[in-house]
Amino acid sequence: NAGVTQTPKFQVLKTGQSMTLQCAQDMNHNSMYWYRQDPGMGLRLIYYSASEGTTDKGEVPNGYNVSRLNKREFSLRLESAAPSQTSVYFCASSEWGPQETQYFGPGTRLLVL
Amino acid sequence: EDQVTQSPEALRLQEGESSSLNCSYTVSGLRGLFWYRQDPGKGPEFLFTLYSAGEEKEKERLKATLTKKESFLHITAPKPEDSATYLCAVQGGFNQAGTALIFGKGTTLSVSS
Repeated sequence: NAGVTQTPKFQVLKTGQSMTLQCAQDMNHNSMYWYRQDPGMGLRLIYYSASEGTTDKGEVPNGYNVSRLNKREFSLRLESAAPSQTSVYFCASSEWGPQETQYFGPGTRLLVL
Repeated sequence: EDQVTQSPEALRLQEGESSSLNCSYTVSGLRGLFWYRQDPGKGPEFLFTLYSAGEEKEKERLKATLTKKESFLHITAPKPEDSATYLCAVQGGFNQAGTALIFGKGTTLSVSS
């Protein structure tokens, strides 16, 4: 099992450009999450999907959109990137809901110039 | 407001020098407390889940304990390979983000030989 995979590993964008971060899990988990991690701050939830077909906003959703493509895949889209979105983005999944253990991917490092 | 505070921010130990990391939390109805290890440039790696006060879990040189206000991660006779950032997260009954995990900022542990 690969667990949680993320693509790309690193990306540089110019302000105003758009991009989609991809996440897939092979653990047959129902719930998936997107977090961002910034220096000096804890991981903060952007969006989550409790189950296939549902998505909900987290703590810092502004500037992002998500799509739960199927049970395995959960993508995060930046429509018009801003320097404040420079961060490391982590995808995670859990069997059913956040009270279950969340397993994290390796992260995508995004630099917005 | 749900909060997680980890201390110290950084800890330097000699190989074999045992110590403890602290995670203090304020949450409305704890449903779970999670410990993760994060190596530089990697995603968080799950270590333990604790659900109720008095619970303890062990894995190799690590032991996690839980009270009603805090959790400790005890490291016995650490080795250089234990060097990493240790993250604590809690899941409460309900918070601003719905059912999100609330993460602390982490404790960075350095073990020298």
